[in-house]
Amino acid sequence: AQRVTQPEKLLSVFKGAPVELKCNYSYSGSPELFWYVQYSRQRLQLLLRHISRESIKGFTADLNKGETSFHLKKPFAQEEDSAMYYCALSSEYGNKLVFGAGTILRVKS
Amino acid sequence: NAGVMQNPRHLVRRRGQEARLRCSPMKGHSHVYWYRQLPEEGLKFMVYLQKENIIDESGMPKERFSAEFPKEGPSILRIQQVVRGDSAAYFCASSPESRGYTFGSGTRLTVV
Repeated sequence: AQRVTQPEKLLSVFKGAPVELKCNYSYSGSPELFWYVQYSRQRLQLLLRHISRESIKGFTADLNKGETSFHLKKPFAQEEDSAMYYCALSSEYGNKLVFGAGTILRVKS
Repeated sequence: NAGVMQNPRHLVRRRGQEARLRCSPMKGHSHVYWYRQLPEEGLKFMVYLQKENIIDESGMPKERFSAEFPKEGPSILRIQQVVRGDSAAYFCASSPESRGYTFGSGTRLTVV
């Protein structure tokens, strides 16, 4: 079965501190992994997808197949990064996404 | 391009009434997906539709829920005889092909 686990409901850091939002997945095939972000009062937006291997707003995420993880990292948090972050998985066969429960990131000044 | 439009943003229904949620995909997008978010949970897939076809409805409850995406007009998620447990945020997404979702702002359904 496909499953995405985000162990932290809330992550609170100070501005300038490093951030790591954890995501672990369960899937036997070759999934595609995503990070979505939802800022206050805005719609869900795609932040990163693992196949793109890009950095968006300073965030990066590396797919670790051995540990079945796709943690989201940023070296220096900014206040505008405060939002809800969702990790999601898509199988190589279908179009539906399986989401984790989300992690609220709060960046304090 | 106005993006994926969902309406209404908020919908209040009494138990036993019907709820109709609408989703207009982005221009040029022929794939529509519906997700439900219950309190304290992540988004859960409900159904995937293309024009006039249901492709995958594995996440739809067996009773009271239905979805359509007609040749003309928006996609509709219909919930008959709503119960309190249907209270949730319902999100629609669209894509031009199999990947690359754009989400709408969601409809928050409250059953009283």
